[in-house]
Amino acid sequence: NAGVMQNPRHLVRRRGQEARLRCSPMKGHSHVYWYRQLPEEGLKFMVYLQKENIIDESGMPKERFSAEFPKEGPSILRIQQVVRGDSAAYFCASSPGTADSPLHFGNGTRLTVT
Amino acid sequence: KQEVTQIPAALSVPEGENLVLNCSFTDSAIYNLQWFRQDPGKGLTSLLLIQSSQREQTSGRLNASLDKSSGRSTLYIAASQPGDSATYLCAEQGAQKLVFGQGTRLTINP
Repeated sequence: NAGVMQNPRHLVRRRGQEARLRCSPMKGHSHVYWYRQLPEEGLKFMVYLQKENIIDESGMPKERFSAEFPKEGPSILRIQQVVRGDSAAYFCASSPGTADSPLHFGNGTRLTVT
Repeated sequence: KQEVTQIPAALSVPEGENLVLNCSFTDSAIYNLQWFRQDPGKGLTSLLLIQSSQREQTSGRLNASLDKSSGRSTLYIAASQPGDSATYLCAEQGAQKLVFGQGTRLTINP
């Protein structure tokens, strides 16, 4: 019974390239959350998605960042034209979607922009 | 707006001591309060989850309490060990999302 799977674990991109981070939720979970953790900081909410819908994107930067959770396949967090300030750990969590169900976290993707 | 604050930001104690980590939150309509552990460069390990109807949860040497009326939670660690050294994160779950505190970096000295 696999948990939340994120890949890649580590991703290195040069400034200006695109980064694509993938998250496969736990089996039976239809809700996905993305969080970002900058060095020496706590986790900041980015976006909350259900299948084919963005529910809350209040934490997403206005430009260059997008997220999707298609009907089939993993959720994707996409960062276009990366800059050094995008270097961080990006964590994905999933839940079955009931109001008080806990979130289960993946091990994160560590993005380094050179 | 949901906000979570953790005090202290860092704590260093000798091995064997009992200690308390503090967490305060502003959302009175929380669904649950969760404590996580994070080792350097690693992911999150869920330690304890307290539902809004509960007052505390215990797991081994760990005990977490929840006081909704005052907006506070504490994590009590008994008989601390060097292996307990990590960052401890508190997070409160509201209607839509989990909001984290900045964490307390704990160091247990042998």
